[in-house]
Amino acid sequence: AQTVTQSQPEMSVQEAETVTLSCTYDTSESDYYLFWYKQPPSRQMILVIRQEAYKQQNATENRFSVNFQKAAKSFSLKISDSQLGDAAMYFCAYRSEGETSGSRLTFGEGTQLTVNP
Amino acid sequence: DAGVIQSPRHEVTEMGQEVTLRCKPISGHNSLFWYRQTMMRGLELLIYFNNNVPIDDSGMPEDRFSAKMPNASFSTLKIQPSEPRDSAVYFCASSLITGTPLHFGNGTRLTVT
Repeated sequence: AQTVTQSQPEMSVQEAETVTLSCTYDTSESDYYLFWYKQPPSRQMILVIRQEAYKQQNATENRFSVNFQKAAKSFSLKISDSQLGDAAMYFCAYRSEGETSGSRLTFGEGTQLTVNP
Repeated sequence: DAGVIQSPRHEVTEMGQEVTLRCKPISGHNSLFWYRQTMMRGLELLIYFNNNVPIDDSGMPEDRFSAKMPNASFSTLKIQPSEPRDSAVYFCASSLITGTPLHFGNGTRLTVT
């Protein structure tokens, strides 16, 4: 079974600074997808960014970018120019393409990000 | 696009009562998921459907939990009888095909006293 690990329960950053959230995963599959979701206090689950495992290029969405290291099974999220609205719980997630695992989405434990003014 | 719609947003009930949570997925999506979120256990997949058929219900805690998807636009998660340890936020999510992101509803916060 696939597992996703976020080793940082909490992180903090100063407004306008850059922060990196870590994520590692374990899988024996070669085709899969990785995601970062954001959950603010409103409890909505908001997609931040996605990465296809077959793509070598790291995904970027405005101030959000990832560092995808397939061999190391690492998928970190970098937030540049942090804003107060970025404060939230961030979840790393894995989605398999394998027939045995179906299309479930497996989440990490989450990292609570605080942005200090 | 209205997104995934869940109801109710909040539910407070007494132990032993039946609880039914409802979900309307995004039109055209063929996969539907039910997740439970608690502080202790994080986000857990309870069950998911592909084309209205349950694919994996191994995450359903026990026989008190059941889920149905009678058609492509509606699903229910039922707890009977409810217990205090069922208190959690329950999310419904849908997606178009495997590999695409899941779109989540706003969740139902269930409190069982």
